[in-house]
Amino acid sequence: AQSVTQLGSHVSVSEGALVLLRCNYSSSVPPYLFWYVQYPNQGLQLLLKYTTGATLVKGINGFEAEFKKSETSFHLTKPSAHMSDAAEYFCAVSDHRSGANSKLTFGKGITLSVRP
Amino acid sequence: ETGVTQTPRHLVMGMTNKKSLKCEQHLGHNAMYWYKQSAKKPLELMFVYNFKEQTENNSVPSRFSPECPNSSHLFLHLHTLQPEDSALYLCASSQVYGSGLRTDTQYFGPGTRLTVL
Repeated sequence: AQSVTQLGSHVSVSEGALVLLRCNYSSSVPPYLFWYVQYPNQGLQLLLKYTTGATLVKGINGFEAEFKKSETSFHLTKPSAHMSDAAEYFCAVSDHRSGANSKLTFGKGITLSVRP
Repeated sequence: ETGVTQTPRHLVMGMTNKKSLKCEQHLGHNAMYWYKQSAKKPLELMFVYNFKEQTENNSVPSRFSPECPNSSHLFLHLHTLQPEDSALYLCASSQVYGSGLRTDTQYFGPGTRLTVL
């Protein structure tokens, strides 16, 4: 079984400040990890993903995330927040099992607010 | 049209109505998914179709009936819903590879906001 924990439901930062959104996962196999963003009245859009290789992954809109196996974490960061980053962010894990239908398990999401 | 489209974007229905949600993907993918997104809850996977065959039904009540006539279209037929079924229903698609059936990134539509009165 796999699971994702996103602690807290809301993060508020000032424009220009560091954004840090935390994600911890549980998986019985080496995971594939994803961050999705959802803007109001829209579907989910992929920000970035980790499969194998380099543990620091860069995504769209200046976001990046680092896979830390020892900490079972995949935290999302952005050095300088922009007003347009205000949205809901979802972390997800895939078990990508060979010979079976892998599926995504999502965290409950976290809302990012950006103050002027 | 590009990506994944869903119609209608908003739907209000009574508990005795029958309605259908439509999803179409223009990405050439062979797997499609229905998710339910309720406030303050994680996304709930409802159904999975690989190569037009249903491969997962996540204990979804029978008042939700999916249909996948081809790999580009997915429907969710709704009948005698309950107010607690009010939610955002998201469709997604991905490419499932033949060897090992590893699912790649899922691409989501904008969703249908369903309100059951």
